[in-house]
Amino acid sequence: DARVTQTPRHKVTEMGQEVTMRCQPILGHNTVFWYRQTMMQGLELLAYFRNRAPLDDSGMPKDRFSAEMPDATLATLKIQPSEPRDSAVYFCASARDDQPQHFGDGTRLSIL
Amino acid sequence: QQPVQSPQAVILREGEDAVINCSSSKALYSVHWYRQKHGEAPVFLMILLKGGEQKGHEKISASFNEKKQQSSLYLTASQLSYSGTYFCGTEAGGTSYGKLTFGQGTILTVHP
Repeated sequence: DARVTQTPRHKVTEMGQEVTMRCQPILGHNTVFWYRQTMMQGLELLAYFRNRAPLDDSGMPKDRFSAEMPDATLATLKIQPSEPRDSAVYFCASARDDQPQHFGDGTRLSIL
Repeated sequence: QQPVQSPQAVILREGEDAVINCSSSKALYSVHWYRQKHGEAPVFLMILLKGGEQKGHEKISASFNEKKQQSSLYLTASQLSYSGTYFCGTEAGGTSYGKLTFGQGTILTVHP
């Protein structure tokens, strides 16, 4: 079965450090989403791309977060500098256009 | 705006039925349903498109009333494996096709 691959699966780091999360979408999927999940806020959309072009990043704190898609097989989400309130599970999902989204296993991020 | 799910939680005995509702204040193009087990990624269950279409997946089915901007998920003769958190994701369509806004989730627990 084709899967969305996210790395790392777990990340613990200190406040102020840069964090980079990576996502390999399913081959053939042209749309990539980044979500953040917390108990308080639920599943929030941070940003998404179609055909590598950013379509919407309104859910992302612009001062510290950035999302890119350097090529069709890699999407990245960076936090610099990281803060304790960024602790969450970050999911990447991919889809073909408006077809169902397939989620990766997530990156569990803890900022101390 | 985030869709509203009800109930927030439901506890069942194996074999019992349940209904989970999802309501939006915006006109919808489609509704997607996902199930997430603890510590895992959300998994796609089904998609409902405009037209009041009803879909099924094993003993799980759903309906979509586009006039009321509501969708309901029906779980029949529940099994232990149905336990998890159910999310609806709503799609407005148009220029934001493929973009989902998720509800807060409904926690379903099935006991033997």
